[in-house]
Amino acid sequence: DGGITQSPKYLFRKEGQNVTLSCEQNLNHDAMYWYRQDPGQGLRLIYYSQIVNDFQKGDIAEGYSVSREKKESFPLTVTSAQKNPTAFYLCASSMGQRTWTQYFGPGTRLTVL
Amino acid sequence: SQQGEEDPQALSIQEGENATMNCSYKTSINNLQWYRQNSGRGLVHLILIRSNEREKHSGRLRVTLDTSKKSSSLLITASRAADTASYFCATDAGSGTYKYIFGTGTRLKVLA
Repeated sequence: DGGITQSPKYLFRKEGQNVTLSCEQNLNHDAMYWYRQDPGQGLRLIYYSQIVNDFQKGDIAEGYSVSREKKESFPLTVTSAQKNPTAFYLCASSMGQRTWTQYFGPGTRLTVL
Repeated sequence: SQQGEEDPQALSIQEGENATMNCSYKTSINNLQWYRQNSGRGLVHLILIRSNEREKHSGRLRVTLDTSKKSSSLLITASRAADTASYFCATDAGSGTYKYIFGTGTRLKVLA
């Protein structure tokens, strides 16, 4: 899983609660990404950031928020507005500047009780 | 929106056989990548092929790209039980961004 860490590995949330998933990288990468994966499905892009203090919505940003205050960190908050948050969340980073390989963290499995 | 569609969705073969999986996409690309995911884990990058390349090799992996048909294939030769995983193609979303679009994946099972 390279130099990307995600925590926690498993997370349980009650309905109506916000939760924050951590993603940290020590690869000195400019770009970072959050994906959602549902069982048996591909990855869908939630948010991505090409540089510190800047981020863009992906295909399914509703109900999620992010920040990119430090190059190493890209936390994802799953808000109560996300109607079906139970899924596997993957964080990734890439060097950017037309270096396309993405390095993925081990993932966080979120379950809403 | 998912740009890449892998085919087949699932594939089961015997150890030692070759495995071929295909990816189709919809819009022009700069490059296409293949990733592997073991169950419940993050994805691992396997190989990248640029739009001006037609074929690329890496160990037991062979990737082809046909930009006229907007398709790519991944061939794993002499498969092993350890190759059991899901395989995804990913395409860039166009120049100027670092956004990637992943396909739906092929679940490969290699039987010992």
